[in-house]
Amino acid sequence: DTEVTQTPKHLVMGMTNKKSLKCEQHMGHRAMYWYKQKAKKPPELMFVYSYEKLSINESVPSRFSPECPNSSLLNLHLHALQPEDSALYLCASSQVPLMNTEAFFGQGTRLTVV
Amino acid sequence: GENVEQHPSTLSVQEGDSAVIKCTYSDSASNYFPWYKQELGKGPQLIIDIRSNVGEKKDQRIAVTLNKTAKHFSLHITETQPEDSAVYFCAASEGNYQLIWGAGTKLIIKP
Repeated sequence: DTEVTQTPKHLVMGMTNKKSLKCEQHMGHRAMYWYKQKAKKPPELMFVYSYEKLSINESVPSRFSPECPNSSLLNLHLHALQPEDSALYLCASSQVPLMNTEAFFGQGTRLTVV
Repeated sequence: GENVEQHPSTLSVQEGDSAVIKCTYSDSASNYFPWYKQELGKGPQLIIDIRSNVGEKKDQRIAVTLNKTAKHFSLHITETQPEDSAVYFCAASEGNYQLIWGAGTKLIIKP
């Protein structure tokens, strides 16, 4: 199984809502990542979890809150988002937290903030 | 810090012809260079990668070349097919947690 599964595929939320994005992998990878991708742009790194601990936060606003309940799961909790936060949110994993090994990406969650 | 430039931004080729996408990087410490393909509505998928101790790597119709002296690397796709239509991203890494991405190339295969 070389899949990273993200749910939901699409999400529309209001600026006062609270929602969560979920990501799951069963490859035994010990590094998991959240990326944000705007249309026609490359992915931008948001967070890195290494061995279930948050190791990198790329100056992401606090309205995005990551969580890693166990080595297979990664969540991104969303609260009080702005319309400019609308984007494709990608989860990825790699065997170790070094980007010189293959990173596997999920299909993404297409988020629209209204 | 590292900067990766990718050209062209759009490439249109006739089915069956070859396609070449080029990237340059700035940091000589970069040692890993992956290429990702992203189809519409999907996440990026690694299609080929190369490390700094190798000059060329091939996988069926896809090849990547690396020139460390000139700090550039290229993706070559031969005998293009409709399913090759996608956005292709190059990237570079020093081996830490960060991938530095190129801006992407939209490849269009004309029937």
